Amino acid sequence: EVELVESGGGLVQPGGSLRLSCAASGFTFSSYWMHWVRQAPGKGLEWVSRVNIDGSRTTYADSVKGRFNILRDNAKNTLYLQTNSLRAEDTALYYCARETGIIVAGGHYYHMDVWGQGTTVTVSS
Amino acid sequence: DIQMTQSPSSLSASIGDRVTITCRASQSISSYLNWYQQNPGKAPKLLIYAASSLHSGVPSRFSGSGSGTDFTLTISSLQPEDFATYYCQQSYSSLGAFGQGTKVEIK
Repeated sequence: EVELVESGGGLVQPGGSLRLSCAASGFTFSSYWMHWVRQAPGKGLEWVSRVNIDGSRTTYADSVKGRFNILRDNAKNTLYLQTNSLRAEDTALYYCARETGIIVAGGHYYHMDVWGQGTTVTVSS
Repeated sequence: DIQMTQSPSSLSASIGDRVTITCRASQSISSYLNWYQQNPGKAPKLLIYAASSLHSGVPSRFSGSGSGTDFTLTISSLQPEDFATYYCQQSYSSLGAFGQGTKVEIK
């Protein structure tokens, strides 16, 4: 069964750090780009970050750029999100998601087809 | 950065109704548009990718259309399990911004 399981969330003080993990199983993790998406309480989805198959290419939302790092360990089938300098507005449920894509007429259409259940980060003093 | 705007933010409908949700991009994104469904307390699920392609296992009452800046998600006959929040997401750029969501509620 294809599965993503997040962990590492918790309560942290403003300015603190957390490392979130996403364990993948049931598919060849090293063949897929991966994403982190978050959802603040009662709010919509916010895309956070994306990483390519070997970790050499990363992108970030402006809201987290310079504070968060997305990493992956293909030997351990695990995706990470290192979150630093946390703020109250980073409080959210953090999902990891697998990216799948199709190539049509030279265009790469990507989408997130497998999602974990999320891990909660609460930033509060 | 590309901004995505959905309308309406919420709607009320009855079982069997035809429902249409609109998503507009701040610049042309060709057909690089995905739709997701999220039930309360659950992770999002992919419905439609590349603007109009139905994801595996998704009922045929869901359909997507549009290109450029204007897109539509249509549910042809609303079922009880369809009461949820729907999000569009652009995949034209690597910064995959979502719309703010449309909540479909029971009338």
